[in-house]
Amino acid sequence: EAGVVQSPRYKIIEKKQPVAFWCNPISGHNTLYWYRQNLGQGPELLIRYENEEAVDDSQLPKDRFSAERLKGVDSTLKIQPAELGDSAVYLCASSLEHHPLYEQYFGPGTRLTVT
Amino acid sequence: TQLLEQSPQFLSIQEGENLTVYCNSSSVFSSLQWYRQEPGEGPVLLVTVVTGGEVKKLKRLTFQFGDARKDSSLHITAAQPGDTGLYLCGFRLLLNRDDKIIFGKGTRLHILP
Repeated sequence: EAGVVQSPRYKIIEKKQPVAFWCNPISGHNTLYWYRQNLGQGPELLIRYENEEAVDDSQLPKDRFSAERLKGVDSTLKIQPAELGDSAVYLCASSLEHHPLYEQYFGPGTRLTVT
Repeated sequence: TQLLEQSPQFLSIQEGENLTVYCNSSSVFSSLQWYRQEPGEGPVLLVTVVTGGEVKKLKRLTFQFGDARKDSSLHITAAQPGDTGLYLCGFRLLLNRDDKIIFGKGTRLHILP
């Protein structure tokens, strides 16, 4: 079974440019998470979806970040405009359901460098 | 302040040596998780410890949950180059509508052949 798929794997952009990341979760997983991992840190949650509903976006910087999960499957995370401090690895994870019995599975991440 | 403090931050040892890394907190947890993250990949769950004093073994890796459920340790016996990676401890917060993993900063382990 395929794991969580993310693209692109790497992205280098200049500041003030827009950028988008795409995530395809494990088939049948209703819950989708976007985390950001800064250099030397553990991942931190940005947003969580239950199907197509964003149920926790409290940590998403809404002035420049947006996300969507149309049809409750794939998801995109967008930054516009990007700032130098946005350089990080953006990880997508999915889980069968919002329940302690179900593990979160992480994708390989997109490494963003803003110059 | 970090909810979960991991130490050491970096560790570089020779193949065949033993090592222990730690995850400490002033808070009490219902469970703690350990993940390994290899370069260019996302974290992969190794184990979840639930009961105070619990010890779980995964081949050469031994995980222990403190009696008071505030700390945990990971011991690797006879380390191998394949053990190289970032070891993260984390707490899965599932409360009301919350569902997220809160991670420590990790221990970056490098095993020299």
